[in-house]
Amino acid sequence: EVELVESGGGLVQPGESLRLSCAASGFTFSVYWMSWVRQAPGKGLEWVANIKHDGSEKYYVDSVEGRFTISRDNAKNSMFLQMNSLRPEDTAVYYCARDWYDGNSGRDFDYWGQGTLVTVSS
Amino acid sequence: DIQMTQSPSTLSASVGDRVTITCRASQSISSWLAWYQQKPGKAPKLLIYKASSLESGVPSRFGGSGSGTEFTLTISSLQPDDFASYYCQQYKSSSRTFGQGTRVEIK
Repeated sequence: EVELVESGGGLVQPGESLRLSCAASGFTFSVYWMSWVRQAPGKGLEWVANIKHDGSEKYYVDSVEGRFTISRDNAKNSMFLQMNSLRPEDTAVYYCARDWYDGNSGRDFDYWGQGTLVTVSS
Repeated sequence: DIQMTQSPSTLSASVGDRVTITCRASQSISSWLAWYQQKPGKAPKLLIYKASSLESGVPSRFGGSGSGTEFTLTISSLQPDDFASYYCQQYKSSSRTFGQGTRVEIK
C-alpha cells in the first residue's frame, strides 16, 4: 500500500528556517517525480516545488524561489523541503504528493500525505 | 507559467442535481489536466486524470471532458458525499498549477 508521511512542521518566527520530510513506502520511490503542495488556512491548493526521480531537475513556484530547496534521498525513500527566510504568508499545511512517472498511465498526484502544518508568526 | 482559471468559485446545488465546473488554461495543455476533490481537514483525492480518465474507485457519476484550454468536470447526479471543494490542475508544464477551487455547497 502506498503511503506518504510528512513530518517537521511547527511554529517558527519570521526569518527562521524549517525542514520538512516526506517518508514514502509501498512503491518504487526512485522512479517517480515528487512534489510539495501547500494550503494556507481557508485557501486553495498551491503547488510549491517538485523534483525529478533522480534529483536532476527541480522546479519552484515563484514565491519560494531562492528561499526553499527541495531534495530527495532515494536510498532512504525520502523527500525534503528546506525552508529558509520564512514569512507569515508561508503559513500553511504542506502536503507531499506522488508526481509524474512515465509508466503511471498519465496520472499525476495520485497519492498524498496527510499534511504537516507550518505556522510562521511572531 | 500556465495559469488555471476555475469557475464558479462557489456552487449551491441539491442532491440529484447535475453539476458542471469549468477550468480554463492560459495556454494549451493538451489533455494534461487532473481534477481533485477535497473535504475539510483531508488531503485532496484524485478523481480524473488526462482530462477524462476516471481514477480507479471513483464513482461513475464523475466525468471529465475537454482538451487544449477548456475543461469541465461534471457530476451527473449530486450525492450527499459530493459536497466538497474541487480543484483542477495542469501537468503539461513541470511547474504545476492549480485552479483556485470550487466549493460545492448544499442549496
